Amino acid sequence: AQTVTQSQPEMSVQEAETVTLSCTYDTSENNYYLFWYKQPPSRQMILVIRQEAYKQQNATENRFSVNFQKAAKSFSLKISDSQLGDTAMYFCAFRVDSNYQLIWGAGTKLIIKP
Amino acid sequence: EADIYQTPRYLVIGTGKKITLECSQTMGHDKMYWYQQDPGMELHLIHYSYGVNSTEKGDLSSESTVSRIRTEHFPLTLESARPSHTSQYLCASSRLAPYNEQFFGPGTRLTVL
Repeated sequence: AQTVTQSQPEMSVQEAETVTLSCTYDTSENNYYLFWYKQPPSRQMILVIRQEAYKQQNATENRFSVNFQKAAKSFSLKISDSQLGDTAMYFCAFRVDSNYQLIWGAGTKLIIKP
Repeated sequence: EADIYQTPRYLVIGTGKKITLECSQTMGHDKMYWYQQDPGMELHLIHYSYGVNSTEKGDLSSESTVSRIRTEHFPLTLESARPSHTSQYLCASSRLAPYNEQFFGPGTRLTVL
Protein backbone atom coordinates (compact mmCIF):
# COMPACT_ATOMS: atom_id res chain seq x y z
CA ALA A 1 0.00 0.00 0.00
CA GLN A 2 1.11 3.53 -0.70
CA THR A 3 1.32 5.69 2.39
CA VAL A 4 2.62 9.05 3.62
CA THR A 5 3.78 9.61 7.19
CA GLN A 6 4.25 13.00 8.79
CA SER A 7 5.64 12.22 12.21
CA GLN A 8 5.33 15.71 13.70
CA PRO A 9 1.68 16.55 14.47
CA GLU A 10 2.64 20.03 15.67
CA MET A 11 5.71 22.25 15.71
CA SER A 12 6.40 25.78 16.81
CA VAL A 13 9.38 28.03 16.22
CA GLN A 14 10.28 31.67 16.69
CA GLU A 15 9.95 34.07 13.81
CA ALA A 16 13.08 34.22 11.61
CA GLU A 17 14.21 30.72 12.63
CA THR A 18 14.60 27.81 10.23
CA VAL A 19 12.26 24.84 10.59
CA THR A 20 12.21 21.43 8.93
CA LEU A 21 9.05 19.37 8.54
CA SER A 22 9.52 15.66 7.98
CA CYS A 23 7.73 13.41 5.53
CA THR A 24 8.32 9.79 4.63
CA TYR A 25 6.41 7.80 2.08
CA ASP A 26 6.13 4.29 0.82
CA THR A 27 5.68 3.10 -2.74
CA SER A 28 7.07 0.37 -4.92
CA GLU A 29 6.84 2.56 -8.02
CA ASN A 30 9.98 4.06 -9.46
CA ASN A 31 8.61 7.31 -10.80
CA TYR A 32 6.37 9.59 -8.82
CA TYR A 33 5.76 13.21 -7.91
CA LEU A 34 5.99 14.73 -4.44
CA PHE A 35 4.26 17.82 -3.11
CA TRP A 36 4.05 20.03 -0.06
CA TYR A 37 0.82 21.95 0.43
CA LYS A 38 0.08 24.72 2.91
CA GLN A 39 -3.34 25.35 4.46
CA PRO A 40 -3.42 28.58 6.53
CA PRO A 41 -6.16 28.88 9.18
CA SER A 42 -9.53 29.30 7.46
CA ARG A 43 -7.83 29.88 4.12
CA GLN A 44 -7.30 28.10 0.86
CA MET A 45 -4.95 25.14 0.39
CA ILE A 46 -2.03 26.16 -1.82
CA LEU A 47 0.90 24.32 -3.36
CA VAL A 48 4.22 25.22 -1.77
CA ILE A 49 6.71 23.11 -3.70
CA ARG A 50 6.90 20.04 -5.91
CA GLN A 51 9.55 17.49 -6.86
CA GLU A 52 9.77 14.83 -9.51
CA ALA A 53 11.30 11.61 -8.20
CA TYR A 54 13.80 11.07 -11.00
CA LYS A 55 15.22 14.59 -10.61
CA GLN A 56 18.08 14.42 -8.16
CA GLN A 57 18.33 18.15 -7.57
CA ASN A 58 16.29 19.35 -4.62
CA ALA A 59 13.53 21.80 -5.49
CA THR A 60 13.58 25.32 -4.05
CA GLU A 61 11.00 28.10 -4.06
CA ASN A 62 12.28 31.25 -2.36
CA ARG A 63 12.45 30.46 1.39
CA PHE A 64 11.11 26.93 0.88
CA SER A 65 13.33 24.01 -0.08
CA VAL A 66 13.15 20.25 0.12
CA ASN A 67 15.58 17.54 1.07
CA PHE A 68 14.65 14.62 -1.16
CA GLN A 69 16.27 11.31 -0.28
CA LYS A 70 14.89 8.75 -2.71
CA ALA A 71 16.56 5.70 -1.20
CA ALA A 72 15.26 6.60 2.23
CA LYS A 73 11.86 7.62 0.80
CA SER A 74 12.10 10.91 2.62
CA PHE A 75 10.87 14.32 1.46
CA SER A 76 11.37 16.95 4.16
CA LEU A 77 10.45 20.63 3.81
CA LYS A 78 12.77 23.36 5.07
CA ILE A 79 11.43 26.85 5.70
CA SER A 80 14.14 29.46 6.13
CA ASP A 81 13.68 32.83 7.83
CA SER A 82 10.21 31.81 8.99
CA GLN A 83 7.50 34.46 9.00
CA LEU A 84 4.24 34.80 10.91
CA GLY A 85 2.38 34.14 7.66
CA ASP A 86 3.94 30.68 7.51
CA THR A 87 1.65 29.59 10.34
CA ALA A 88 -0.48 26.85 8.77
CA MET A 89 -1.12 23.16 8.39
CA TYR A 90 1.41 21.61 6.04
CA PHE A 91 0.52 18.48 4.11
CA CYS A 92 2.92 16.20 2.29
CA ALA A 93 1.49 14.27 -0.66
CA PHE A 94 2.61 12.22 -3.62
CA ARG A 95 1.23 10.51 -6.66
CA VAL A 96 2.68 7.75 -8.77
CA ASP A 97 3.05 8.09 -12.49
CA SER A 98 0.22 5.66 -13.21
CA ASN A 99 -2.40 7.36 -11.02
CA TYR A 100 -3.65 10.95 -10.82
CA GLN A 101 -4.86 10.63 -7.23
CA LEU A 102 -2.76 12.09 -4.45
CA ILE A 103 -1.80 10.11 -1.35
CA TRP A 104 -1.88 12.49 1.61
CA GLY A 105 -0.14 12.67 4.96
CA ALA A 106 -2.00 13.60 8.12
CA GLY A 107 -0.43 17.06 8.24
CA THR A 108 1.85 19.05 10.54
CA LYS A 109 0.53 22.11 12.31
CA LEU A 110 3.24 24.76 12.23
CA ILE A 111 3.05 27.78 14.52
CA ILE A 112 5.42 30.70 14.04
CA LYS A 113 5.74 32.71 17.25
CA PRO A 114 6.54 36.44 17.21
CA GLU B 1 -8.35 35.23 -13.94
CA ALA B 2 -8.27 31.44 -13.95
CA ASP B 3 -9.43 30.06 -10.63
CA ILE B 4 -11.54 27.48 -8.82
CA TYR B 5 -14.70 28.55 -7.03
CA GLN B 6 -16.89 26.97 -4.41
CA THR B 7 -20.30 28.09 -3.19
CA PRO B 8 -21.59 28.46 -0.62
CA ARG B 9 -18.59 29.09 1.63
CA TYR B 10 -20.62 28.33 4.76
CA LEU B 11 -23.88 26.41 5.08
CA VAL B 12 -25.92 25.58 8.16
CA ILE B 13 -28.84 23.31 7.43
CA GLY B 14 -31.29 21.02 9.18
CA THR B 15 -31.29 17.24 9.11
CA GLY B 16 -33.02 15.69 6.12
CA LYS B 17 -32.53 18.59 3.72
CA LYS B 18 -31.15 18.09 0.23
CA ILE B 19 -28.09 20.21 -0.52
CA THR B 20 -25.81 20.81 -3.47
CA LEU B 21 -22.29 22.16 -3.07
CA GLU B 22 -21.12 23.94 -6.18
CA CYS B 23 -17.62 23.80 -7.65
CA SER B 24 -16.49 25.50 -10.83
CA GLN B 25 -13.07 26.05 -12.36
CA THR B 26 -12.01 28.30 -15.19
CA MET B 27 -8.62 26.70 -15.77
CA GLY B 28 -9.80 24.17 -18.36
CA HIS B 29 -8.64 21.26 -16.19
CA ASP B 30 -10.08 17.89 -17.10
CA LYS B 31 -9.58 16.28 -13.69
CA MET B 32 -11.59 17.32 -10.65
CA TYR B 33 -11.84 16.03 -7.09
CA TRP B 34 -13.92 16.34 -3.92
CA TYR B 35 -12.34 15.92 -0.51
CA GLN B 36 -13.83 15.83 2.97
CA GLN B 37 -11.72 17.34 5.74
CA ASP B 38 -12.46 17.80 9.42
CA PRO B 39 -10.74 20.91 10.86
CA GLY B 40 -6.98 20.42 11.18
CA MET B 41 -7.18 16.85 9.97
CA GLU B 42 -6.13 14.96 6.88
CA LEU B 43 -7.96 15.03 3.56
CA HIS B 44 -10.15 12.15 2.43
CA LEU B 45 -10.99 11.73 -1.25
CA ILE B 46 -14.72 11.11 -1.69
CA HIS B 47 -15.25 11.59 -5.46
CA TYR B 48 -13.22 12.29 -8.57
CA SER B 49 -13.73 12.81 -12.27
CA TYR B 50 -11.28 12.57 -15.14
CA GLY B 51 -13.59 14.17 -17.66
CA VAL B 52 -17.15 14.88 -18.75
CA ASN B 53 -19.60 12.06 -17.92
CA SER B 54 -16.90 10.28 -15.90
CA THR B 55 -17.20 10.05 -12.08
CA GLU B 56 -15.77 7.63 -9.54
CA LYS B 57 -16.01 7.16 -5.78
CA GLY B 58 -12.92 7.80 -3.73
CA ASP B 59 -11.39 6.00 -0.80
CA LEU B 60 -13.77 7.36 1.82
CA SER B 61 -17.28 6.03 1.65
CA SER B 62 -19.71 8.88 1.21
CA GLU B 63 -23.46 9.17 0.88
CA SER B 64 -23.02 12.06 -1.54
CA THR B 65 -23.23 11.93 -5.32
CA VAL B 66 -21.56 14.00 -8.03
CA SER B 67 -22.09 14.80 -11.68
CA ARG B 68 -19.84 16.10 -14.44
CA ILE B 69 -21.91 17.35 -17.34
CA ARG B 70 -19.59 20.22 -18.20
CA THR B 71 -15.81 20.33 -17.93
CA GLU B 72 -15.82 23.34 -15.64
CA HIS B 73 -18.57 22.23 -13.23
CA PHE B 74 -18.46 19.45 -10.64
CA PRO B 75 -21.31 19.73 -8.10
CA LEU B 76 -21.70 17.49 -5.06
CA THR B 77 -25.16 16.58 -3.77
CA LEU B 78 -26.36 15.20 -0.45
CA GLU B 79 -29.93 13.89 -0.81
CA SER B 80 -30.62 13.90 2.92
CA ALA B 81 -28.17 15.73 5.16
CA ARG B 82 -27.31 14.28 8.58
CA PRO B 83 -25.20 15.63 11.47
CA SER B 84 -22.48 13.11 10.52
CA HIS B 85 -22.05 15.07 7.27
CA THR B 86 -20.82 18.10 9.21
CA SER B 87 -17.35 18.80 7.82
CA GLN B 88 -15.42 20.91 5.36
CA TYR B 89 -15.66 19.97 1.69
CA LEU B 90 -12.80 20.90 -0.62
CA CYS B 91 -12.96 20.87 -4.39
CA ALA B 92 -9.81 20.61 -6.47
CA SER B 93 -8.79 20.33 -10.09
CA SER B 94 -5.54 19.22 -11.64
CA ARG B 95 -3.56 20.38 -14.59
CA LEU B 96 -1.82 18.51 -17.30
CA ALA B 97 1.18 16.23 -17.09
CA PRO B 98 3.65 15.62 -15.78
CA TYR B 99 3.00 16.83 -12.25
CA ASN B 100 -0.79 17.03 -12.30
CA GLU B 101 -0.61 19.08 -9.13
CA GLN B 102 -4.00 19.89 -7.68
CA PHE B 103 -5.40 23.38 -7.24
CA PHE B 104 -7.96 23.89 -4.51
CA GLY B 105 -11.06 25.97 -4.03
CA PRO B 106 -11.72 27.86 -0.78
CA GLY B 107 -13.91 25.07 0.61
CA THR B 108 -17.46 24.83 1.92
CA ARG B 109 -17.91 24.46 5.66
CA LEU B 110 -21.10 22.47 6.20
CA THR B 111 -22.92 22.18 9.51
CA VAL B 112 -25.95 19.91 9.76
CA LEU B 113 -28.07 20.44 12.84
